[in-house]
Amino acid sequence: DQQVKQNSPSLSVQEGRISILNCDYTNSMFDYFLWYKKYPAEGPTFLISISSIKDKNEDGRFTVFLNKSAKHLSLHIVPSQPGDSAVYFCAARINNAGNMLTFGGGTRLMVKP
Amino acid sequence: DADVTQTPRNRITKTGKRIMLECSQTKGHDRMYWYRQDPGLGLRLIYYSFDVKDINKGEISDGYSVSRQAQAKFSLSLESAIPNQTALYFCATSESGTGSEKLFFGSGTQLSVL
Repeated sequence: DQQVKQNSPSLSVQEGRISILNCDYTNSMFDYFLWYKKYPAEGPTFLISISSIKDKNEDGRFTVFLNKSAKHLSLHIVPSQPGDSAVYFCAARINNAGNMLTFGGGTRLMVKP
Repeated sequence: DADVTQTPRNRITKTGKRIMLECSQTKGHDRMYWYRQDPGLGLRLIYYSFDVKDINKGEISDGYSVSRQAQAKFSLSLESAIPNQTALYFCATSESGTGSEKLFFGSGTQLSVL
């Protein structure tokens, strides 16, 4: 069973509005969370991360919120731009020797001009 | 030039054939990984290597093998390809220690097994 889930396969937003991408996890041992962004014909690239000791991390237009009690994180993009159209993956890590990441299934964001 | 280079970019093969996907990196990272992406399943780890003498199975290693020829090179082999190995394959690298969870990906190899 998937330990990291992105329940919305796709999301469409108007340019200038807020995009909210959601991610749920089941393993309470996850202590670090990341978002990756993927354009067609390219590999994923790191976007933003958050440690489990925080509930918010902000980087420019991108903010990640973590609700540990709900085992839920979200990525907010404000304002959304057409260049943000991509597939977004959330990922989670357990702090052990391997630091392996478990990825969600991805959400395709389309920002319409 | 790309920091993580995968070859080929696209490959079509037949069931039962042996194929190799190659990855090279110029980032100087010790850690290298092979992932596959399937629609709705995200990225799943096939194999990973923390240095030249270290090879570890990931979540879905059955049907695959790897070789770490040098710090900069990590290849993935399908000994006898089957149709459900049709997927987008990514090589990735990361630093050792703190920050090792931040992966740097190649552009991917689209593999189709007929």
